[in-house]
Amino acid sequence: QVQLQESGPGLVKPSETLSLTCTVSGVSISSYYWSWIRQPPGKGLEWIGYIYYTGSTNYNPSLTSRVTISLDTSKDQFSLKLSSVTAADTAVYYCARVRLGATPYDAFDIWGQGTMVTVSS
Amino acid sequence: DIVMTQSPDSLAVSLGERATINCKSSQSVLYSSNNKNYLAWYQQKPGQPPKLLIYWASTRESGVPDRFSGSGSGTDFTLTISSLQAEDVAVYYCQQYYTTPLYTFGRGTKLEIK
Repeated sequence: QVQLQESGPGLVKPSETLSLTCTVSGVSISSYYWSWIRQPPGKGLEWIGYIYYTGSTNYNPSLTSRVTISLDTSKDQFSLKLSSVTAADTAVYYCARVRLGATPYDAFDIWGQGTMVTVSS
Repeated sequence: DIVMTQSPDSLAVSLGERATINCKSSQSVLYSSNNKNYLAWYQQKPGQPPKLLIYWASTRESGVPDRFSGSGSGTDFTLTISSLQAEDVAVYYCQQYYTTPLYTFGRGTKLEIK
């Protein structure tokens, strides 16, 4: 079955860059839209951005100046970089797949387990 | 931005009883050309990622028990659990996917057993 697994440092210093990778298994990364979504402790869900297998991206306007999402189709991985982090970026970060491949206008049907990232010196 | 407002914030229902969660969008998420509502519902249990329950406002995801149903159109939507089971204790979120680049979620409704 399709599985997503996030990986990366659990602790990042303020002003540095948060880097996470999502490894996709059970399906090719091609032909789908892939997203990053985060959830601060005890709070709701915030969409960060998505990437299509072609490499085209779209980001949350509130984060666009600090976010880069990229992918490596040879490894079936996509990655998140969030620069100039502050304590407000402390959250569980999830990677997720948009349900149908041809459009981003659909629900998220597959989620990774999430990885907690704490921003602290 | 489309703002998703859920009510109530929390809800306690007896086992076997009906649970109803509401979600209101600040603008319509009904796309007239295909008559689809671009709205999903998710269930999140502690320490777990969200799980897709309903998409297109009323289509149940594969494997989701039929006690879960979604209804509504335009700006007003409802998730109903017809007969609450203990394993349904969770936080429930609605989400619009009508507009990108900004998918937005409601703030969640916490469902507990009375």
